[in-house]
Amino acid sequence: AQSVTQPDIHITVSEGASLELRCNYSYGATPYLFWYVQSPGQGLQLLLKYFSGDTLVQGIKGFEAEFKRSQSSFNLRKPSVHWSDAAEYFCAVGAMDSNYQLIWGAGTKLIIKP
Amino acid sequence: SAVISQKPSRDICQRGTSLTIQCQVDSQVTMMFWYRQQPGQSLTLIATANQGSEATYESGFVIDKFPISRPNLTFSTLTVSNLSPEDSSIYLCSVEDRGYRAYEQYFGPGTRLTVT
Repeated sequence: AQSVTQPDIHITVSEGASLELRCNYSYGATPYLFWYVQSPGQGLQLLLKYFSGDTLVQGIKGFEAEFKRSQSSFNLRKPSVHWSDAAEYFCAVGAMDSNYQLIWGAGTKLIIKP
Repeated sequence: SAVISQKPSRDICQRGTSLTIQCQVDSQVTMMFWYRQQPGQSLTLIATANQGSEATYESGFVIDKFPISRPNLTFSTLTVSNLSPEDSSIYLCSVEDRGYRAYEQYFGPGTRLTVT
């Protein structure tokens, strides 16, 4: 069965520092990969997605993610975080034999230190 | 991307009552999903709602507790029945237009339910 692992429950980063949030998946083929962000009291917003092609994808708000097939990973990065990036980040996977549903990671809460 | 609204944004309900949540989309979409997000948790899919057919429920969710309607391609409702404090959660609807953006889901702002 497919699964998504976000190993870090929460991460604390100083404002202006770089960020990397980890996501690993378990699936036999290349899935569709997504990162969503949920700000406090808000719904989920799609940050970026990978379907095929270039393994480095750019998203909104200055985020990027890199798909590494050999590591079954899709880590999210940002070179310099802002206080407004404090939120919960969810990695999700879409696999063809999951009836087009998304499989969700547990989420990583990003805390920004001033 | 589709713009999704939900009503109500939050509610406080008594044990034993029901709450109906509305999800409205600004364009016609094929797939709509209802999720539950318990405090501090990830998303759990309740059901998938296609227009013109019965909703498909995930394991652990039943129609008697979570009846869903999908009368057209822009609207759906989720009712949470016979409320208990364990139903206190955020309920989210999402949509996916199964075109070339398969699996890409867009979310409403959520409905925060507190059961007392």
